[in-house]
Amino acid sequence: DAGITQSPRHKVTETGTPVTLRCHQTENHRYMYWYRQDPGHGLRLIHYSYGVKDTDKGEVSDGYSVSRSKTEDFLLTLESATSSQTSVYFCAISPARSTDTQYFGPGTRLTVL
Amino acid sequence: GEDVEQSLFLSVREGDSSVINCTYTDSSSTYLYWYKQEPGAGLQLLTYIFSNMDMKQDQRLTVLLNKKDKHLSLRIADTQTGDSAIYFCAESDGGATNKLIFGTGTLLAVQP
Repeated sequence: DAGITQSPRHKVTETGTPVTLRCHQTENHRYMYWYRQDPGHGLRLIHYSYGVKDTDKGEVSDGYSVSRSKTEDFLLTLESATSSQTSVYFCAISPARSTDTQYFGPGTRLTVL
Repeated sequence: GEDVEQSLFLSVREGDSSVINCTYTDSSSTYLYWYKQEPGAGLQLLTYIFSNMDMKQDQRLTVLLNKKDKHLSLRIADTQTGDSAIYFCAESDGGATNKLIFGTGTLLAVQP
């Protein structure tokens, strides 16, 4: 399995509070991604990174920001959490272009009350 | 825009074959993928197919690709209870950043 960890694995927070989720990889892969998974929607891309300090928006980026100061870490921040951001968040990594394969972390279940 | 569609649910008996279908819209996709998600877990890559192939076989798994109809299928032979999971198809966006577009997932229930 690809070396990807996510922390925390579970979090409950209140509306209006900031939340940061961390993705850590040991594979030295160039590309990193944050997705959210909701029933009926599959996985939707929030933000992605194509190198240190290089990030871009995905399909559902409103209310989220990211940072990547090191190859191994990709942080997702909910600036002011809302109940609509209750979801399961997955991080994925991918090497420089080969088969475009993405490898996924175990996920973080976030509940916003 | 890009859209990937799957049926929501499939129920089969243990030992039968399962066929999970997917339609996609982006004809520039280079690779198409099948991922498996077991309860409470992340997505596990099962297999992928390059867009210039029609078929790929990997042990119990057979992937068929019909580019004309933009239709992808995953056949699981001799389905086992351990195959019960959600199966996602995904297409690459054909761009430089390896982005994937996922379907909504098909829940496969295997009855003993």
